[in-house]
Amino acid sequence: SQQGEEDPQALSIQEGENATMNCSYKTSINNLQWYRQNSGRGLVHLILIRSNEREKHSGRLRVTLDTSKKSSSLLITASRAADTASYFCATGPQGAQKLVFGQGTRLTINP
Amino acid sequence: NAGVTQTPKFQVLKTGQSMTLQCAQDMNHEYMSWYRQDPGMGLRLIHYSVGAGITDQGEVPNGYNVSRSTTEDFPLRLLSAAPSQTSVYFCASSPLQGGETQYFGPGTRLLVL
Repeated sequence: SQQGEEDPQALSIQEGENATMNCSYKTSINNLQWYRQNSGRGLVHLILIRSNEREKHSGRLRVTLDTSKKSSSLLITASRAADTASYFCATGPQGAQKLVFGQGTRLTINP
Repeated sequence: NAGVTQTPKFQVLKTGQSMTLQCAQDMNHEYMSWYRQDPGMGLRLIHYSVGAGITDQGEVPNGYNVSRSTTEDFPLRLLSAAPSQTSVYFCASSPLQGGETQYFGPGTRLLVL
């Protein structure tokens, strides 16, 4: 079964607002990553946070990781219409040559 | 660099037919992988390779074969297509290990009738 579980499954907000998505996982990890997928396209890597990090920023993205709760959150600030996409968390389990993906959050930014 | 390329973009098969989905990367990445994505779901790993001549099974390998004769290419073969294999297939590569950042191709949409 998939390790990552994302919440909410769908999120609709107004342009300019902040969007927060959450991800939970089950086993020990080396890192956690977030990817974006525009409709009908491949996945694009956004940010990677390692298990010994608690917070990471990249432009308007802020990712937190709480390994004690096995959870992560992705915050997109000052959202734009172009942020409309599906967002997936993926974990790199310890000792495994793979990524395990969550089911994704579908984000819609309304103009 | 073209990155990760996949062909074809779209394919329709009849049940029982076989076909090969092509994947190539020009970034000299050792690690390559195949995922399938079904509606409303995340990606599930089919097979992966940590280098030429080395392949291993992922989460959902049944009905699929892979080989890795070169660093650049990682084809996925459907042996006898079934309607349950209707999906979007993504190839990805990584310069590091499989648990690190992966770079995805644009996908192949497969419909099995």
